Amino acid sequence: AQSVTQPDIHITVSEGASLELRCNYSYGATPYLFWYVQSPGQGLQLLLKYFSGDTLVQGIKGFEAEFKRSQSSFNLRKPSVHWSDAAEYFCAVGAVSQAGTALIFGKGTTLSVSS
Amino acid sequence: DTGVSQNPRHKITKRGQNVTFRCDPISEHNRLYWYRQTLGQGPEFLTYFQNEAQLEKSRLLSDRFSAERPKGSFSTLEIQRTEQGDSAMYLCASSQDGGSTQYFGPGTRLLVL
Repeated sequence: AQSVTQPDIHITVSEGASLELRCNYSYGATPYLFWYVQSPGQGLQLLLKYFSGDTLVQGIKGFEAEFKRSQSSFNLRKPSVHWSDAAEYFCAVGAVSQAGTALIFGKGTTLSVSS
Repeated sequence: DTGVSQNPRHKITKRGQNVTFRCDPISEHNRLYWYRQTLGQGPEFLTYFQNEAQLEKSRLLSDRFSAERPKGSFSTLEIQRTEQGDSAMYLCASSQDGGSTQYFGPGTRLLVL
């Protein structure tokens, strides 16, 4: 069965430090992969996506992610974290059915930024 | 492009009451999805429409839940005889035909007392 694992429930990073959020997936074919961010009480905003091609993808707000097929991973990175990056981050995989694409989400990683 | 909108943003109801939520997708998107998100969890897929046709339903969608998209534009999600376990954030998303990127609305937070 398809699944997404985000091993870190909560991460605290100092402002200006680098960030890496981990995501591992289980999927039978080439997946569509996404990272979304959610601020408290809000919906989800798309940060970046991977469908095919270059395995290093750039997103909004200075984020990037690298697809590693051999490790079934799609880790999110940012070289310098800002206080406004504090939020919950969700990794998702697209399960392509005949009809559409139902996303399967991980449980999320909460990012706190310390000054 | 005003994005996906959802109404109401918050709903408090008593157990046993019926509630209905509305989702307005991005105007040119003909695919519409409903997800449920409970505290500390990621969103879970509920159901999916292509135009007015409901094409996929999760096993999470019990008989008390019904979703419609009568004219292929906005959609409603109704929960009958609400239970405390229905308390969650209900998220709507839309995408273009043939595209796999889903854009989410702000959600409707339901609290069942």
